[in-house]
Amino acid sequence: DAGITQSPRHKVTETGTPVTLRCHQTENHRYMYWYRQDPGHGLRLIHYSYGVKDTDKGEVSDGYSVSRSKTEDFLLTLESATSSQTSVYFCAISEPSGGRDTQYFGPGTRLTVL
Amino acid sequence: ELKVEQNPLFLSMQEGKNYTIYCNYSTTSDRLYWYRQDPGKSLESLFVLLSNGAVKQEGRLMASLDTKARLSTLHITAAVHDLSATYFCAVDDGPNLGAQKLVFGQGTRLTINP
Repeated sequence: DAGITQSPRHKVTETGTPVTLRCHQTENHRYMYWYRQDPGHGLRLIHYSYGVKDTDKGEVSDGYSVSRSKTEDFLLTLESATSSQTSVYFCAISEPSGGRDTQYFGPGTRLTVL
Repeated sequence: ELKVEQNPLFLSMQEGKNYTIYCNYSTTSDRLYWYRQDPGKSLESLFVLLSNGAVKQEGRLMASLDTKARLSTLHITAAVHDLSATYFCAVDDGPNLGAQKLVFGQGTRLTINP
């Protein structure tokens, strides 16, 4: 898993509650990403970070916010969870290699919003 | 907007046969990645293709990239059961502050029968 952990691994919550997912890396990689995976859609980028306190939106960022206060941690927050945010969430990391290197993915978090 | 399409989405084949998965994308890019995902697991990197005409091989899998046709192929030779998985291609939607903004195909679920 390239030194990436995600917590929690499974979560069930109710509509309207806030949820925070954590991605932790031990590789000191500069770039971190959050994706969601849904059937028929592959993976879609939610947000990414290019350094501490530096983040930007991906293609499906509505309803999500992120924070990165330390190199090793990247947090994804659902301020008010909705059923449409039921998904499997993957964190990934990469290094600035001009694209020569791949992204390495964490084990995933399965989130169910009732 | 970059779109990535894979076909077929589902593929059932016999052991020992050859087949090809296709990945088409809609805008110019010379960075394409292939991943494998086993059920309930994370994504594992297979190949990184970075230039027109690039070809990479690992065991029974061979990937190629034609940037002019905006097409990548993943060829499976003499399939074995262990290759059963879902395969994703992903295209880098342009370097953005060094981050890789990957756009994924929908995935091809490959089942190899004895």
